[in-house]
Amino acid sequence: DVKVTQSSRYLVKRTGEKVFLECVQDMDHENMFWYRQDPGLGLRLIYFSYDVKMKEKGDIPEGYSVSREKKERFSLILECASTNQTSMYLCATGGDSNQPQHFGDGTRLSIL
Amino acid sequence: EDKVVQSPLSLVVHEGDTVTLNCSYEVTNFRSLLWYKQEKKAPTFLFMLTSSGIEKKSGRLSSILDKKELFSILNITATQTGDSAVYLCAFVTGANSKLTFGKGITLSVRP
Repeated sequence: DVKVTQSSRYLVKRTGEKVFLECVQDMDHENMFWYRQDPGLGLRLIYFSYDVKMKEKGDIPEGYSVSREKKERFSLILECASTNQTSMYLCATGGDSNQPQHFGDGTRLSIL
Repeated sequence: EDKVVQSPLSLVVHEGDTVTLNCSYEVTNFRSLLWYKQEKKAPTFLFMLTSSGIEKKSGRLSSILDKKELFSILNITATQTGDSAVYLCAFVTGANSKLTFGKGITLSVRP
């Protein structure tokens, strides 16, 4: 079974802090993704990576950056956290476009 | 701009009912359409559909894609309370398996 592990289930941070969300997968997949999920808006893609050190912006990259130094690990960084970044953050991993993405359990992040 | 629309947004049924969830899309460079079920945590994969008219089935769940009319349906027969969840439809475009999601359908199954 594919395992996608996100470092925290719940996280509370303060406005202005730098926040790191970590995601690790054990399937040797090339593609990794970060989404946020908000009521009424569904899942929206923030960034994705299709190889080590490669990244592409998704639909809502503003206020975020990512890092992929190793194939199995994909980090989402909130450079200067703001209250409108309070959300559920989901990491996913996938092979090629003929394979489904598999999700981690999510991190519910609150910015106070 | 690519878009996917799910309907209805929410649905309440009783155990034993049959439900049909709809997903329509307008995309360029369509590769496949996926259905996920989300309870409290991670979305879990249900079906991937790439070919029109071929039904995929798993127990009481089934799904089909119509590439001419640009929609898919997810059917659940003999619903159970454990089917209560948000059902997400998404499509894949491009080679990097990037997904674009609909807003989801909240299904509540009452005993």
